[in-house]
Amino acid sequence: GQSLEQPSEVTAVEGAIVQINCTYQTSGFYGLSWYQQHDGGAPTFLSYNALDGLEETGRFSSFLSRSDSYGYLLLQELQMKDSASYFCAVIGEDSSYKLIFGSGTRLLVRP
Amino acid sequence: DTAVSQTPKYLVTQMGNDKSIKCEQNLGHDTMYWYKQDSKKFLKIMFSYNNKELIINETVPNRFSPKSPDKAHLNLHINSLELGDSAVYFCASSQRGGREETQYFGPGTRLLVL
Repeated sequence: GQSLEQPSEVTAVEGAIVQINCTYQTSGFYGLSWYQQHDGGAPTFLSYNALDGLEETGRFSSFLSRSDSYGYLLLQELQMKDSASYFCAVIGEDSSYKLIFGSGTRLLVRP
Repeated sequence: DTAVSQTPKYLVTQMGNDKSIKCEQNLGHDTMYWYKQDSKKFLKIMFSYNNKELIINETVPNRFSPKSPDKAHLNLHINSLELGDSAVYFCASSQRGGREETQYFGPGTRLLVL
């Protein structure tokens, strides 16, 4: 089967840097995605890593280590609007390409 | 322009009723999905259609029946609603259902079964 683990909650101060970790177990691995979801909103795509290393998109970066089955999302210069839930996700190990989501990390940014 | 839209946004109904949720995407995508998000925010795939053909059917009670009249629409019909069906249902789409593709989510339908 497939599973992903993330911390349930993280709190950080405005302007700080926070890292949200994700470890996964899957027999077939194609890549790790990250989605953001504000309360009452829809999940929105943030990043996708298929290869090892760091991908940077503005204040957000995502890292993948395939050998460690581990990735993280790094948020810099935190803003209040970054308070949301963050989900890591992998593609299903069958051929259907469905997304399997982690349980989500709730990020609370304090002033 | 709304990329993925769902109706209704809120749905409150009694146990045992039958209800439908509609989804439309104007992105020209080939693949559409239904996800269920429970009260603990756990997001789980239910169904996926590619060009009107069912390609994913997770272990979902057969009271749930998706229908795709064309590749821009994927509706979800639920028979004999139960309390445990209360959740937020998200429709999503992606270009071809490929591994590296972004999935675009609709705003969600908040279903409450009383």
